[in-house]
Amino acid sequence: AQSVAQPEDQVNVAEGNPLTVKCTYSVSGNPYLFWYVQYPNRGLQFLLKYITGDNLVKGSYGFEAEFNKSQTSFHLKKPSALVSDSALYFCAVRDKSNYQLIWGAGTKLIIKP
Amino acid sequence: EAGVAQSPRYKIIEKRQSVAFWCNPISGHATLYWYQQILGQGPKLLIQFQNNGVVDDSQLPKDRFSAERLKGVDSTLKIQPAKLEDSAVYLCASSLDLRVQTQNEKLFFGSGTQLSVL
Repeated sequence: AQSVAQPEDQVNVAEGNPLTVKCTYSVSGNPYLFWYVQYPNRGLQFLLKYITGDNLVKGSYGFEAEFNKSQTSFHLKKPSALVSDSALYFCAVRDKSNYQLIWGAGTKLIIKP
Repeated sequence: EAGVAQSPRYKIIEKRQSVAFWCNPISGHATLYWYQQILGQGPKLLIQFQNNGVVDDSQLPKDRFSAERLKGVDSTLKIQPAKLEDSAVYLCASSLDLRVQTQNEKLFFGSGTQLSVL
């Protein structure tokens, strides 16, 4: 069965430090992988995706994510965190063979000044 | 470009009452989704439309939930009767066309309707 795991409920980072939000997945075929962000009282916003090609994907707001097929991971990263990055981050995966998008439970990112 | 519109923004009802949510997707988007997001959890797909046809409603509690997208544009999600466990944020999203296995695939979400069932 397809699944997505975000092992950390919350990640705390000091402003200016690098951040990583972890995501691992399990799908039967080759995946499409996504990161979305949810700011308080707002809907989810697309950050970035991996479809094919270069394993390092760059997205909005300076975020990037690295697809690692052997570790079945798609961790979200940013070299220097901003307080405004504080939000809820969701990883999602879709098997190319079907339309179903599977979502992780989310990781709350808190950036402290 | 206008985003995905949802209404109402908030709704408070008592259990066993009925409620309806409305969604207008981005113009030209063929695929429309309704998600339920319970506090502390990721979104759970309730139903997915491709134009006015249902692609996936496997997780929709059909004894109480119904949804329609009659003209392939806007959509309504209804709960009747509501239960306490239905308290959640109901998110509508749209995308261009999920049938196209696509470099452009991404979902656009509305702000959601926060439902409280008392």
